[in-house]
Amino acid sequence: KAGVTQTPRYLIKTRGQQVTLSCSPISGHRSVSWYQQTPGQGLQFLFEYFSETQRNKGNFPGRFSGRQFSNSRSEMNVSTLELGDSALYLCASSLTTGAYYEQYFGPGTRLTVT
Amino acid sequence: DAKTTQPNSMESNEEEPVHLPCNHSTISGTDYIHWYRQLPSQGPEYVIHGLTSNVNNRMASLAIAEDRKSSTLILHRATLRDAAVYYCILRDLRSGGSYIPTFGRGTSLIVHP
Repeated sequence: KAGVTQTPRYLIKTRGQQVTLSCSPISGHRSVSWYQQTPGQGLQFLFEYFSETQRNKGNFPGRFSGRQFSNSRSEMNVSTLELGDSALYLCASSLTTGAYYEQYFGPGTRLTVT
Repeated sequence: DAKTTQPNSMESNEEEPVHLPCNHSTISGTDYIHWYRQLPSQGPEYVIHGLTSNVNNRMASLAIAEDRKSSTLILHRATLRDAAVYYCILRDLRSGGSYIPTFGRGTSLIVHP
């Protein structure tokens, strides 16, 4: 079974621009979560989507948004990029939402903001 | 806001057992304890989870203290491939039943040949 895929794998953007990252979950998985990983803050939860609805949200500003499509694929958008948004963005999928699940992570998208 | 405490790093020799501790003194009665690990240049991968009793799977064992304020991930025979950052995670319940996964800093496991 194919794993979680994320595109693109690497991205360089300029401060003030916006960016859209894509995540394709494992077939049959309906929940997609997004995380930001930086050396300083570690792995932080951004938000989770299940059945095209945002179910949970972490403590990130409104510049970070996402959506999920009917085929469970998800996109994450960051507007007005700041230097501090440089990070590894990870997507994880699971069968369902809630606390009692196994998440399968993708390889991540490395975003560099200059 | 981290709800778990783990040592920053631990070292082990190949073929020896490894016990990775995690303290979670504020755990609630319905919190599950999850463990993930992150190999270099990869996304995290699920290892194991449990609620009250000890759990075993093909990757590891999870020993949960009777008061559930701590747990230990046990790798029975460490291999070089087990060198990774190990995260102990609790369910972080907010009002309304939301679930916010809270990752701590993790333990960096170094395995010596």
